[in-house]
Amino acid sequence: DAGVTQSPTHLIKTRGQHVTLRCSPISGHKSVSWYQQVLGQGPQFIFQYYEKEERGRGNFPDRFSARQFPNYSSELNVNALLLGDSALYLCASSLVRGEEKLFFGSGTQLSVL
Amino acid sequence: GDSVTQMEGPVTLSEEAFLTINCTYTATGYPSLFWYVQYPGEGLQLLLKATKADDKGSNKGFEATYRKETTSFHLEKGSVQVSDSAVYFCALETSYDKVIFGPGTSLSVIP
Repeated sequence: DAGVTQSPTHLIKTRGQHVTLRCSPISGHKSVSWYQQVLGQGPQFIFQYYEKEERGRGNFPDRFSARQFPNYSSELNVNALLLGDSALYLCASSLVRGEEKLFFGSGTQLSVL
Repeated sequence: GDSVTQMEGPVTLSEEAFLTINCTYTATGYPSLFWYVQYPGEGLQLLLKATKADDKGSNKGFEATYRKETTSFHLEKGSVQVSDSAVYFCALETSYDKVIFGPGTSLSVIP
């Protein structure tokens, strides 16, 4: 069975641009969460979606947005990129909300120049 | 706010040595506690968890006990192997799927 898949694996952007990251959860999983992991730090919670609705949001600016599609895949969008947005972006899925077991993808490494 | 603190690394041990990675937390309510592991080049994986006070989580020889009185969840293993080399994250869940991670502790095990 496929795990959580994320695309692209690596991305290079310049300041001011926008980026879209994609995530496909494990088949049957309805909850998707996004995390930002800056080098040398632990992941920081950005969003959680369940049944296509935003259920939780971390302390990130409005430049960050996300959505979940009817097939439960998800996109994370970041506008007006800053150098500080350079990080590994992780997607995690779970079968149901609050299952307490998250399955993480390998992430998208975003570099902003 | 809710937070997780864990011992700074990197930690370097010889094979078969005893491992302890300290973790303490601050949270309102009764969070679930986790240890995640990130092997080189791989994604985060759940190593073990405990959902209430005095619960002991265990997996692959690793153990951690949820200590509410000391707000701690220290990770231990009696005999580490080279294959245990990874970054270990202590974490807590305050609400559905919102997990707060510690900064991570890098472990290197040398033969």
